[in-house]
Amino acid sequence: EVQLVESGGGLVQPGASLKLSCVASGFTFSDYWMSWVRQTPGKTMEWIGDIKYDGSYTNYAPSLKNRFTISRDNAKSTLYLQMSNVRSEDTATYYCTRYYGYNCMDAWGQGASVTVSS
Amino acid sequence: DVQMTQSPSNLAASPGESVSINCKASKSISKYLAWYQQKPGKANKLLIYSGSTLQSGTPSRFSGSGSGTDFTLTIRNLEPEDFGLYYCQQHNEYPYTFGAGTKLELK
Repeated sequence: EVQLVESGGGLVQPGASLKLSCVASGFTFSDYWMSWVRQTPGKTMEWIGDIKYDGSYTNYAPSLKNRFTISRDNAKSTLYLQMSNVRSEDTATYYCTRYYGYNCMDAWGQGASVTVSS
Repeated sequence: DVQMTQSPSNLAASPGESVSINCKASKSISKYLAWYQQKPGKANKLLIYSGSTLQSGTPSRFSGSGSGTDFTLTIRNLEPEDFGLYYCQQHNEYPYTFGAGTKLELK
């Protein structure tokens, strides 16, 4: 069974950094592009970015490119999202997803909740 | 960025009825439109991709149509488990973008 389990969320102060992790199981992690998507409290979904199966290439939403970094460790079947200089508008549930076919998302984690507040 | 306009934002229906959800792209996205279902306590589920291709495991009462800028998700003969939140997403060009969502509620 394909599983994606995010961790690392919580309450963080504005301006701080936070690193989310997503552990994958049930498939060969190193064969797949992966991505991060977030959902605001108002239920708006936003694509954050993605990473090639070997970690050699990443793409980002332009509005987040300067503060968010996606990486992966294929030996650990783990995807990461490094968030820096967080703002209140980064408050959201963060999902890792697996790409299928032409970059649609056929597997989602349960999400990690991040709240940015002082 | 490609803007995705999804309608309606809310939809109330009864089991056995048929409903349609629309998604309009601000520019042509060819056929590359996906539909997802979100339900509390469950992982989001890919229902349809490339406009009309059913993902493995998606019941046949779901169907997708459209190309270019206008797309529709139709659910026929609604089952109780179909109620939830639905999103469209264009997977044609970066940055990938989502519609605002449609909440399908029990009437």
